[in-house]
Amino acid sequence: AQSVTQLGSHVSVSEGALVLLRCNYSSSVPPYLFWYVQYPNQGLQLLLKYTSAATLVKGINGFEAEFKKSETSFHLTKPSAHMSDAAEYFCAVSITGGGNKLTFGTGTQLKVEL
Amino acid sequence: GAVVSQHPSWVICKSGTSVKIECRSLDFQATTMFWYRQFPKQSLMLMATSNEGSKATYEQGVEKDKFLINHASLTLSTLTVTSAHPEDSSFYICSAISRNQETQYFGPGTRLLVL
Repeated sequence: AQSVTQLGSHVSVSEGALVLLRCNYSSSVPPYLFWYVQYPNQGLQLLLKYTSAATLVKGINGFEAEFKKSETSFHLTKPSAHMSDAAEYFCAVSITGGGNKLTFGTGTQLKVEL
Repeated sequence: GAVVSQHPSWVICKSGTSVKIECRSLDFQATTMFWYRQFPKQSLMLMATSNEGSKATYEQGVEKDKFLINHASLTLSTLTVTSAHPEDSSFYICSAISRNQETQYFGPGTRLLVL
């Protein structure tokens, strides 16, 4: 079975500062990994996904994530935070591609302060 | 592209009544749709997976007779919460995917409040 751990349920950064949201996964087979963002009272929007191609994945809104097999990690980063980045972020894993069961982490609430 | 809609966006109902939530893929044919439930401050929990034209597969602990799922066409799946109770109050989110896609596209969610 696969699982995802997101360290830090709340992260607070200053506007313009680096954003780092941590995600570690557990999977018995090569995983597919995803980052989704959720704004209040809305569904999830895909930020980026790793599907065994390039280990550094670039997504929308300036976010990127790097797949590190040795560390079983898929941390999400953005060089400069913007107020509009404040949202809930979910890391998810699938062992059969995104077309099948996704297992989500517990989420990280990102707060961006002036 | 890849837009998924849900209707209604929110609903309030009395305990004991049934509520139907629709999930539509607007610009692609969804061979598979997923239904998730999200309680406040928690992650999404998969309830069931439905493939067009066949019975839904429910996750462990989800009552199939309480949460009726129908996926009668390639663009529409419905979730009916039967005899709703206050503990069923939650945010219900669907996602859809077409054959050979690697990404699930999520709807905006439906907030259900059972009084």
